[in-house]
Amino acid sequence: GAVVSQHPSWVICKSGTSVKIECRSLDFQATTMFWYRQFPKQSLMLMATSNEGSKATYEQGVEKDKFLINHASLTLSTLTVTSAHPEDSSFYICSAPFGGSGELFFGEGSRLTVL
Amino acid sequence: QQQVKQSPQSLIVQKGGISIINCAYENTAFDYFPWYQQFPGKGPALLIAIRPDVSEKKEGRFTISFNKSAKQFSLHIMDSQPGDSATYFCAASKTGGGNKLTFGTGTQLKVEL
Repeated sequence: GAVVSQHPSWVICKSGTSVKIECRSLDFQATTMFWYRQFPKQSLMLMATSNEGSKATYEQGVEKDKFLINHASLTLSTLTVTSAHPEDSSFYICSAPFGGSGELFFGEGSRLTVL
Repeated sequence: QQQVKQSPQSLIVQKGGISIINCAYENTAFDYFPWYQQFPGKGPALLIAIRPDVSEKKEGRFTISFNKSAKQFSLHIMDSQPGDSATYFCAASKTGGGNKLTFGTGTQLKVEL
């Protein structure tokens, strides 16, 4: 199947700093990518849809100024958590649709811990 | 109408047994139903998926059964193995929905020796 890579896989930062997470489609192009947030033992919550060449579409209740999304190329989307606070600590996962069927393939996830 | 309800929340099965996880949806526009497997600390991996034009799809030990009239679908894991211990999520999406998936709440499966 298609490969979606995330970096870093884990990051620890101080409160008030910003953290950038990268999502790459390694062997295919993706005009759309999705960013999810997952709390322990819970389901995936869609945060936003990243669109190459245009603004991201955020789900209701997600602060666009807090979670900056940039789809720089057909293989790269980034999520920047700005002025991070402990409540932003979570597992962030990206995904991208592949092929004509649009099957979604997920990255390995990035665990953010804000101290 | 966008919900996908999943049960059970957790499941313990003996090695060699059959694991069954059920999902129900409300939105009749959904036309793609994948199942994902997630190990701790990892992203979900696509396991198997089905579209409403068939009632069953089998890939190895994994089978999806789909009941369109009841708006339900289930995952059967035959000959369950300890390595199958993971969290399983059902999901649904619709054509024209921009590949947006609506996820179930997840089932934590443990396969015991």
